[in-house]
Amino acid sequence: GQQVMQIPQYQHVQEGEDFTTYCNSSTTLSNIQWYKQRPGGHPVFLIQLVKSGEVKKQKRLTFQFGEAKKNSSLHITATQTTDVGTYFCAVETGNQFYFGTGTSLTVIP
Amino acid sequence: KAGVTQTPRYLIKTRGQQVTLSCSPISGHRSVSWYQQTPGQGLQFLFEYFSETQRNKGNFPGRFSGRQFSNSRSEMNVSTLELGDSALYLCASSFSGSGNQPQHFGDGTRLSIL
Repeated sequence: GQQVMQIPQYQHVQEGEDFTTYCNSSTTLSNIQWYKQRPGGHPVFLIQLVKSGEVKKQKRLTFQFGEAKKNSSLHITATQTTDVGTYFCAVETGNQFYFGTGTSLTVIP
Repeated sequence: KAGVTQTPRYLIKTRGQQVTLSCSPISGHRSVSWYQQTPGQGLQFLFEYFSETQRNKGNFPGRFSGRQFSNSRSEMNVSTLELGDSALYLCASSFSGSGNQPQHFGDGTRLSIL
């Protein structure tokens, strides 16, 4: 099945520092989605990227789709305690979603 | 608009028993997917239903089954429970299950096997 590798698995940052998580696929993707799951919560859709090299921003969050459409990144500028949670990328193949292993972000006040 | 509703929220069972979990999708959504989430394995796809038909199935044993009703509500059944089935079971709905649509997750059912 589809393999989606996500790194790092864990990240601890001081509040105000930046954070980046990376998602890599062995195959070319039609699109990629990002989700956030707060501790004790459920995954919540953040954004979808479709085009090669696409960059989308949501306030302090910047999402990028690689030129070859095989990788993606999520960058958070100046983290806040509200950013705590696990960030997942997700790709779809044949109506089946494959989620990355997730990056758990801890923000130290 | 009400979100995805999963019942029950928590369940405690013993090995060998069976369990049925329920998921009511967002109104108008016809695709329902089920996932198993564990600390070691992450989010793993179980199956997806659309218009009462199972369209896709993940790599889980036959003890895991599901169905979807005409109102798009879905149930998941696990028979002969094993300790390793302890997990958070999440369902997600979308309008058609297409890969370019976001999935909307419920709060999940946390299943503990003793």
